[in-house]
Amino acid sequence: AQSVTQLDSQVPVFEEAPVELRCNYSSSVSVYLFWYVQYPNQGLQLLLKYLSGSTLVESINGFEAEFNKSQTSFHLRKPSVHISDTAEYFCAVRSMQGGGSEKLVFGKGTKLTVNP
Amino acid sequence: EPEVTQTPSHQVTQMGQEVILRCVPISNHLYFYWYRQILGQKVEFLVSFYNNEISEKSEIFDDQFSVERPDGSNFTLKIRSTKLEDSAMYFCASSGDYAGYTFGSGTRLTVV
Repeated sequence: AQSVTQLDSQVPVFEEAPVELRCNYSSSVSVYLFWYVQYPNQGLQLLLKYLSGSTLVESINGFEAEFNKSQTSFHLRKPSVHISDTAEYFCAVRSMQGGGSEKLVFGKGTKLTVNP
Repeated sequence: EPEVTQTPSHQVTQMGQEVILRCVPISNHLYFYWYRQILGQKVEFLVSFYNNEISEKSEIFDDQFSVERPDGSNFTLKIRSTKLEDSAMYFCASSGDYAGYTFGSGTRLTVV
């Protein structure tokens, strides 16, 4: 079984400041890792994912996350945030085993609030 | 870009009534899922569905819940006798492989 811990439930930052949203996971097997974003009153959108290869993955809107196997972490970072980044961010994992029907296991989410 | 479509976006129902939440997954995807998110809490897995049968279900998915793929395009979640604690946002998702899941925009179910 897998579990995901997002240590910060809320992160307030000022516009143009850097931000890091932390995610740690626990699993007895190798996993794929995902970050999803949920804007107010909307559904879940895939932000980025780590499947294999380079441990640093990037999204089209400036976010990046680095897979650290030894620390079982997949922290999300952005060097300079915008007001429009205000949203809830969910880290999720799924087992590499079991084929395409494996479920995602989510963390509790981190609410990022960007203030002017 | 292909989307997962969910209807309705919001449903209010009386306790004890049956509800059916509808989803149209991405057409070439093979794996289908329902998740729910109680207000302020994390997203929880309910059930996965492949090849016209349930692959896995959580302990939340008890006898009151059922899923069906009645035709080649729709995927439904039925709650037979709703309870107050079933109030949540329900997300449908589909995937073609291990590489990621596409979620719908959700149905907010309010049981009164």
